[in-house]
Amino acid sequence: GENVEQHPSTLSVQEGDSAVIKCTYSDSASNYFPWYKQELGKGPQLIIDIRSNVGEKKDQRIAVTLNKTAKHFSLHITETQPEDSAVYFCAASTDSWGKLQFGAGTQVVVTP
Amino acid sequence: DVKVTQSSRYLVKRTGEKVFLECVQDMDHENMFWYRQDPGLGLRLIYFSYDVKMKEKGDIPEGYSVSREKKERFSLILESASTNQTSMYLCASSSRQEQYFGPGTRLTVT
Repeated sequence: GENVEQHPSTLSVQEGDSAVIKCTYSDSASNYFPWYKQELGKGPQLIIDIRSNVGEKKDQRIAVTLNKTAKHFSLHITETQPEDSAVYFCAASTDSWGKLQFGAGTQVVVTP
Repeated sequence: DVKVTQSSRYLVKRTGEKVFLECVQDMDHENMFWYRQDPGLGLRLIYFSYDVKMKEKGDIPEGYSVSREKKERFSLILESASTNQTSMYLCASSSRQEQYFGPGTRLTVT
């Protein structure tokens, strides 16, 4: 089955700097790659996603890139702010039912 | 907005008890999922359902069962709770691939 690895497990950045989280997947049939943000005491919330027919997608300060050949995708957060502090999860999916395989998560801490 | 609600935010049960976790979604989604979340392991799929009365095992179904009698409701059942089932349990729903999560239930089994 699909296996998703996520790095780093923790990331500390200065406010205003950029943050990058990287994920690799094993199943070349995966076609959907979402990113979730989980704030303390809450469930994960979808922040951006990308499909296999697209190489890059942006939404304000966040962007995701996908390299299908290398089977990896990344989340980029620019101009980080304290409210970006959270745990971020990447995931991959191969089927239309939406079954997701998640990475282990990255704890991002943005220091003022 | 999609709303997924879970019956309890915190739950404390004793070893051997039967535990029911309830999840309700209000967006008429076909698919519903139960995950457990443990530090360093991410979210692991326990069971999912793509229709009423239909269920499929996820990656870690042992010790759990599920019930989906109505489209909007998906229940997770721990037949005989054990201490290694202490965890955060998250429910999600989707109509296609985008999943929407509830706030989670933190279950402690003593």
